[in-house]
Amino acid sequence: DGGITQSPKYLFRKEGQNVTLSCEQNLNHDAMYWYRQDPGQGLRLIYYSQIVNDFQKGDIAEGYSVSREKKESFPLTVTSAQKNPTAFYLCASSITTGGYGGNQPQHFGDGTRLSIL
Amino acid sequence: KQEVTQIPAALSVPEGENLVLNCSFTDSAIYNLQWFRQDPGKGLTSLLLIQSSQREQTSGRLNASLDKSSGRSTLYIAASQPGDSATYLCAGTSGTYKYIFGTGTRLKVLA
Repeated sequence: DGGITQSPKYLFRKEGQNVTLSCEQNLNHDAMYWYRQDPGQGLRLIYYSQIVNDFQKGDIAEGYSVSREKKESFPLTVTSAQKNPTAFYLCASSITTGGYGGNQPQHFGDGTRLSIL
Repeated sequence: KQEVTQIPAALSVPEGENLVLNCSFTDSAIYNLQWFRQDPGKGLTSLLLIQSSQREQTSGRLNASLDKSSGRSTLYIAASQPGDSATYLCAGTSGTYKYIFGTGTRLKVLA
């Protein structure tokens, strides 16, 4: 079955440590996204990528980094510069149509919950 | 700055009721709108997508509409069931790939 796989499901970070969250999709989608979800708040966009080897910052990119070396993979690194990393992280993907964006549904993984030790 | 409000924030209804969830955008220039369902500790499941040329979408007991003049959308759930209990989120885009999400409505359907 096609879908998005996020790993690990739970992750703990020590002070000063960088951690990487994995996101893999086999839907053959061009666009991939990383969101952060905090209690009582809507999802906030961290980074997105419309095509391999290209990505753009979202609203809260500070303290995060991404890469898009393969179409199916879009890993997110939470760096030590991110002072409040405890949150639920969601990866999504969608087909791009070359014109206006957002006119295809976004598909989500099951998320990674990151906590501070 | 575009902001999204979902009303009510929480809702508890007996099984079988028809119900309406509301979503409104501060900027009415919404191009596409998507409704999602989120179960506790899980990712989002896409329910309905209203594309730029559409005003309404239906899937089974769900119907979503978008009034572009006011920037408001409603999700109608007919004959609610306990399995419908979840958080429902709306998200809209103004023609880019960037969706703006609401904070959700937590629905509980009582058996």
